[in-house]
Amino acid sequence: SQKIEQNSEALNIQEGKTATLTCNYTNYSPAYLQWYRQDPGRGPVFLLLIRENEKEKRKERLKVTFDTTLKQSLFHITASQPADSATYLCALGEDYKLSFGAGTTVTVRA
Amino acid sequence: GAVVSQHPSRVICKSGTSVKIECRSLDFQATTMFWYRQFPKKSLMLMATSNEGSKATYEQGVEKDKFLINHASLTLSTLTVTSAHPEDSSFYICSATKLSGSTETQYFGPGTRLLVL
Repeated sequence: SQKIEQNSEALNIQEGKTATLTCNYTNYSPAYLQWYRQDPGRGPVFLLLIRENEKEKRKERLKVTFDTTLKQSLFHITASQPADSATYLCALGEDYKLSFGAGTTVTVRA
Repeated sequence: GAVVSQHPSRVICKSGTSVKIECRSLDFQATTMFWYRQFPKKSLMLMATSNEGSKATYEQGVEKDKFLINHASLTLSTLTVTSAHPEDSSFYICSATKLSGSTETQYFGPGTRLLVL
């Protein structure tokens, strides 16, 4: 069966450290993978897209890697800030649809 | 970026009534819009894909007569929950796709919290 697993439900880190989130999938062949941020009671906000032929993508303090052999994506938030506290969702893109993981809630302590 | 709005943001209704939720892309035209529902601490579950001018495509297990979708224009899709019951209480989120070059990115609305009493 198809499965998308995000490493942990919650991640607590100290301000200034790097948060690393994992997204593993089975029985999918995504053409691309996206990461979204979701705040409580709000819709997801698009952060980054990485295609199957790309290894790494960066945007400001965010970095995403995509390994189609391992079937894994890593999402890094460097120099984390309390404002980065949110739930982060990975989403696999196949055809025109997205399939979402359950998310990892990141809490950055000041 | 791209802005997608939803209305209402929150609705409380009695069991048996119907509720309409609107999804609008404000600064771009979207040929495809999607409707999701999300339960607390769970992932977004795709309910249906809506294309302008054609019938929506529903995911397995989603009742099309229960969740009516109308995509009247390139900037507006509506979801009507008919004869709502307490088990329909959930967070409903729409998204609209925007084409940038050869890449389609989904931009999400802020969501609608539905509570059926």
